[in-house]
Amino acid sequence: AQKVTQAQTEISVVEKEDVTLDCVYETRDTTYYLFWYKQPPSGELVFLIRRNSFDEQNEISGRYSWNFQKSTSSFNFTITASQVVDSAVYFCALRTIAGGTSYGKLTFGQGTILTVHP
Amino acid sequence: ETGVTQTPRHLVMGMTNKKSLKCEQHLGHNAMYWYKQSAKKPLELMFVYSLEERVENNSVPSRFSPECPNSSHLFLHLHTLQPEDSALYLCASSQRTGGLYEQYFGPGTRLTVT
Repeated sequence: AQKVTQAQTEISVVEKEDVTLDCVYETRDTTYYLFWYKQPPSGELVFLIRRNSFDEQNEISGRYSWNFQKSTSSFNFTITASQVVDSAVYFCALRTIAGGTSYGKLTFGQGTILTVHP
Repeated sequence: ETGVTQTPRHLVMGMTNKKSLKCEQHLGHNAMYWYKQSAKKPLELMFVYSLEERVENNSVPSRFSPECPNSSHLFLHLHTLQPEDSALYLCASSQRTGGLYEQYFGPGTRLTVT
């Protein structure tokens, strides 16, 4: 069975602070994909990044960076110099190829509510 | 143009009503999904369609009935719902099914069952 845990329910920071959102996952599959999505108040989930289980390179995209560590089953997300527009709910998700289906199983964490104050 | 659109954005219905949610994707994708997002619960996958064929149904009650007439449109027909069905219903699409392909989400329909 798959499980994604985002232990931080809510985080509140002041603009320009750095903030790290934690994500820990569980799976017995050796091939899997990890995702981060952002859900602003408008509702739609916005895709941020996908990582496959064979690629542990960290990635940086502007103010966003991701730290993938298989040894600790973690895929943490850091926002540098946070801005008010970063306020949203952030979801970590795990997708495996399970049950012989082409679809696989996508499991989301509970989400972390990030509030950035001016 | 927004990749995935959903209508209506808000819906209030009684338990005896019948309504439908509509999703349309403009991305040329072949897979479409319905998710339910309830307060304080993770997103729950409801249905998966690949090339208009339903490939997954996650034990969803029969009062939810999906329909996928073509690869661009997805409907969720609702009848005799319960108050606990109140939630945000999100539609998503991806190029194909399979772990490699990220899903693109619509803005959701906020459903309230009274």
